[in-house]
Amino acid sequence: GAGVSQSPSNKVTEKGKDVELRCDPISGHTALYWYRQSLGQGLEFLIYFQGNSAPDKSGLPSDRFSAERTGGSVSTLTIQRTQQEDSAVYLCASSPMALQETQYFGPGTRLLVL
Amino acid sequence: SQKIEQNSEALNIQEGKTATLTCNYTNYSPAYLQWYRQDPGRGPVFLLLIRENEKEKRKERLKVTFDTTLKQSLFHITASQPADSATYLCALDLFYNQGGKLIFGQGTELSVKP
Repeated sequence: GAGVSQSPSNKVTEKGKDVELRCDPISGHTALYWYRQSLGQGLEFLIYFQGNSAPDKSGLPSDRFSAERTGGSVSTLTIQRTQQEDSAVYLCASSPMALQETQYFGPGTRLLVL
Repeated sequence: SQKIEQNSEALNIQEGKTATLTCNYTNYSPAYLQWYRQDPGRGPVFLLLIRENEKEKRKERLKVTFDTTLKQSLFHITASQPADSATYLCALDLFYNQGGKLIFGQGTELSVKP
């Protein structure tokens, strides 16, 4: 079956612009996660959804970052007023449920802020 | 503070040898630990999960150990092949404390030479 998909695969934007990154999880997966990976670094947790609610937003780096999930499926990560330090690969993962489960990752969106 | 450390330097080995990667952590009491493989330009792919009450887990040429006293996991690839070249990430689940969130190490790059 289809895996996790993300769009766009690449995004180049100018500093100060807003961007929206989309994640389509595996069908039926109730948990969804967003991570950020900077060049040569490990994954940094941003936010996690169980269904449409986000019990843990602790990883969002600033109030310029927000995320929503509708219908228990697609999620959008929005970065407002982008800064150069926001440049990174943004990875989405999903799992059948939140606890004690493998996470299935999408290919990521490579964001470059000029 | 909570910390996860993997071999920071790239590991270069000869085909056919056993590769051993290390993951050390402090100030966590994880319910389980996972290992992922990440190829350039792609999202991580799940390899193995080992629970806190398990000492060792095997899957084909892969073996993972988990010592909760030492706070260390070792990841072994036996009879290594050039196709095993990738970055390997360890991840801890904070189920007991922060359910559903994986904390990743920065990864170790493995290169297997023919």
